[in-house]
Amino acid sequence: DAKTTQPNSMESNEEEPVHLPCNHSTISGTDYIHWYRQLPSQGPEYVIHGLTSNVNNRMASLAIAEDRKSSTLILHRATLRDAAVYYCILRGFSNDYKLSFGAGTTVTVRA
Amino acid sequence: GAGVSQTPSNKVTEKGKYVELRCDPISGHTALYWYRQSLGQGPEFLIYFQGTGAADDSGLPNDRFFAVRPEGSVSTLKIQRTERGDSAVYLCASSLTGVFEETQYFGPGTRLLVL
Repeated sequence: DAKTTQPNSMESNEEEPVHLPCNHSTISGTDYIHWYRQLPSQGPEYVIHGLTSNVNNRMASLAIAEDRKSSTLILHRATLRDAAVYYCILRGFSNDYKLSFGAGTTVTVRA
Repeated sequence: GAGVSQTPSNKVTEKGKYVELRCDPISGHTALYWYRQSLGQGPEFLIYFQGTGAADDSGLPNDRFFAVRPEGSVSTLKIQRTERGDSAVYLCASSLTGVFEETQYFGPGTRLLVL
């Protein structure tokens, strides 16, 4: 399975943007880039996903490098509720249904 | 609508005992997944159901672990002869059909502690 690499932790101030990097140098042409996050004592929740083009939704934006070997999840204005572990996951035909979580990035938001 | 629910939320048992963990997926979702999360780590895949059948149980660690979904909705994860190493949060997720692009919706998990 293709692997992703994320920093262990990041800190941000409330109402400031947060940029979470993810490296996936062995991504295949059919792999989608998914992001999930896990708030304390909760199950993971979907954030966003994309294939080649940048994507926006109400939670975040996903910027995908032109060569697709890296991507960045952008939280435009961090709130205390955004403090969570963020997971970058590749999903494609090879692993189909299962989500392969790494250790993720722990985001701390300072008030 | 109602999300994925799991019961119990916490379970404490003694080494060697048998436990059952229940998952109620979102109504109409045919795909159901079990994951296990140890402290400080990301969730690890255990088993995937498509309808009533286990389509992939390659993540089950050994034959003490078994899961069923007899009517294609509720699923039960069963652990025999529990060991201290089984202590973890057991997460259940469901998705509409199971195709790779679909969002998986997770329950809050069952925190299992084996003494």
